[in-house]
This record gives sequence, structure tokens and C-alpha cells, in this order.
Amino acid sequence: GENVEQHPSTLSVQEGDSAVIKCTYSDSASNYFPWYKQELGKGPQLIIDIRSNVGEKKDQRIAVTLNKTAKHFSLHITETQPEDSAVYFCAARVPDGLTFGKGTHLIIQP
Amino acid sequence: DSGVTQTPKHLITATGQRVTLRCSPRSGDLSVYWYQQSLDQGLQFLIQYYNGEERAKGNILERFSAQQFPDLHSELNLSSLELGDSALYFCASSPPNGVSSPLHFGNGTRLTVT
Repeated sequence: GENVEQHPSTLSVQEGDSAVIKCTYSDSASNYFPWYKQELGKGPQLIIDIRSNVGEKKDQRIAVTLNKTAKHFSLHITETQPEDSAVYFCAARVPDGLTFGKGTHLIIQP
Repeated sequence: DSGVTQTPKHLITATGQRVTLRCSPRSGDLSVYWYQQSLDQGLQFLIQYYNGEERAKGNILERFSAQQFPDLHSELNLSSLELGDSALYFCASSPPNGVSSPLHFGNGTRLTVT
């Protein structure tokens, strides 16, 4: 089955700086890669996604890049703000749902 | 708000007991997924239903079962509960348009087994 590795497990950045979270996947048949943000006491919330026919997608301060050849994808957050503090999960779509990475705890230092 | 509703929000019960978690998917979504989230295991896929039928099974214990009803809501039944079953249980739903559609999650049920 699909295996998704996510790094780092914890990331601390200064407010205003950029944050990058990286994921790799194993199944070359995976073709959809969403990113979720989970705040305390809430369920994972979809923040951005990318399909395998696209190399990059941007939505305001958030961008995702995909390298199908290398089987890795990354989340980039620019101009980080306190409300960006949360746990972020990458995932790869498989026929029976999503396989998730283990999450990155993003801490925004004031 | 994702549109996925889960009840109850919190559940505290004793070992050996049985509980039922309920999920209402987003309007129009036919697929329902159940995930378990514990501190050291991340989000683990349990089971998927599509329009009332079981579609896929993940790491679901034999003590656990689920079903999806004609109105598309789903229930996850956990029996003979053990301390290690304490976790967050999430339900997600997705629209019926293939394997590149996103999953939308509810806010979960926090189960504490004492």
C-alpha cells in the first residue's frame, strides 16, 4: 500500500518568515495530494491540494509543489502569521481514501 | 465548517463497554470514511462506505464495526473497549466523482476509556 513520509515533525519559525514542509510517497499510481491543517480540538481542514498533472499551485500565502518523478511534494507558507500555528498533514489519495503523513507541528514565534 | 457532523463530541466509558459514534456526511456526498487519531499513530484509516456498501477496510479491529444507512449517515460501533481504544475518531465524506476528490472531515468524537 501507499506510504507517506513527512518532515519535519516540528517546525518553529519567526513570524513573517517562510515555512516549508516536505512529504514523499511510495505509490506512483497516486494522483491527488491534499494538505490539511488541524487546530486543537478540530478536525483536519483542507487548505490546498494538487493533482498529478500540475507541478505547482498557489493560493495567497500558501503554495504546493509536486515532483512526480521524485515522488515528493511540499507545502510552502510565506509571511507566516500567528494563526498559522497548527499541525499540518500531507496525504496521498489512494482508491480507498487518503494515506496521511504523521504531521508537522508548526510553531510561529512572535 | 466542513458540513460533516459528528456526535457525540466527547464520550467517556469504561473498559469492556460498547459505544456508537455517529456521522452525517456533507449534502451530496456518498462516501463516508472513518479514521482513528491517536498521539503516536497519526490518522489511521479504519473503513470506507459508499452509498450504503462497504468499499474498503483499513486497520479496523474485529471488535469494531460500521454501517451506512439509506439516508447516508454512518455509525461506528466499538465494543469490548480497551484502554488503548482511547483516541479521536474522525468521519470524513467525499463526493461521488472519482479518486481525485478531497475528503472533508468532521470535528471528531473524543473517546476516553477508563
